[in-house]
Amino acid sequence: QSALTQPASMSGSPGQSISISCTGTTSDVGSYNLVSWYQQFPGKAPKLIIYDVSKRPSGVSNHFSGSKSGNTASLTISGLQAEDEADYYCCSYAGSSIYVFGTGTKVTVL
Amino acid sequence: EVQLVESGGGLVQPGRSLRLSCAASGFTFDDYVMHWVRQVPGKGLEWVSGISWNSLAIGYADSVKGRFTISRDNAKNSLYLQMNSLRPEDTAFYYCVKGTVTKYFDYWGQGSLVSVSS
Repeated sequence: QSALTQPASMSGSPGQSISISCTGTTSDVGSYNLVSWYQQFPGKAPKLIIYDVSKRPSGVSNHFSGSKSGNTASLTISGLQAEDEADYYCCSYAGSSIYVFGTGTKVTVL
Repeated sequence: EVQLVESGGGLVQPGRSLRLSCAASGFTFDDYVMHWVRQVPGKGLEWVSGISWNSLAIGYADSVKGRFTISRDNAKNSLYLQMNSLRPEDTAFYYCVKGTVTKYFDYWGQGSLVSVSS
């Protein structure tokens, strides 16, 4: 049960696009299309923004998108906005009722 | 409106026990898997444990296996986490989280702080 690997930080100017990677193994990300992404602001509970690799919950902006290739999932934020500055976490199902989160990425809007 | 309200957190000495509770409302509790996720202040998220609607499927993170026990009472719309042999590294906010069939977490409580210190 090792944490999925994410870059510790990423930054971009308003309007730019960034992609946050989430690297796991053949036991988690690589085996299941059950990757989700969460956005968290300081002092707040996480919020679901992507599920089932690439699906967006109702009410989540379409400038968030998700994808997966092999053992690596990615969250793309297109047209970065100031309000996107937050921490982002991926999570994957790992079988046998076990889940694993990513290490988290702090996104800064320059 | 879905609401998840944790209680039972606090300061406890290493080696002691604590029981967290989560009161759920706004959805049909016994239709869904439920989880506990924790977060050390200023650090990342860690999935702790999950329990299926009928309590037949339960999972634990390696870091808590053998020390923590998850349970639920569907008649009371409540989720529990019995934490034994607590360690300083168990200090964290503990979130009660509603799960889904396709293995994601769609609603989170506001968290309950557990501090393990002598």
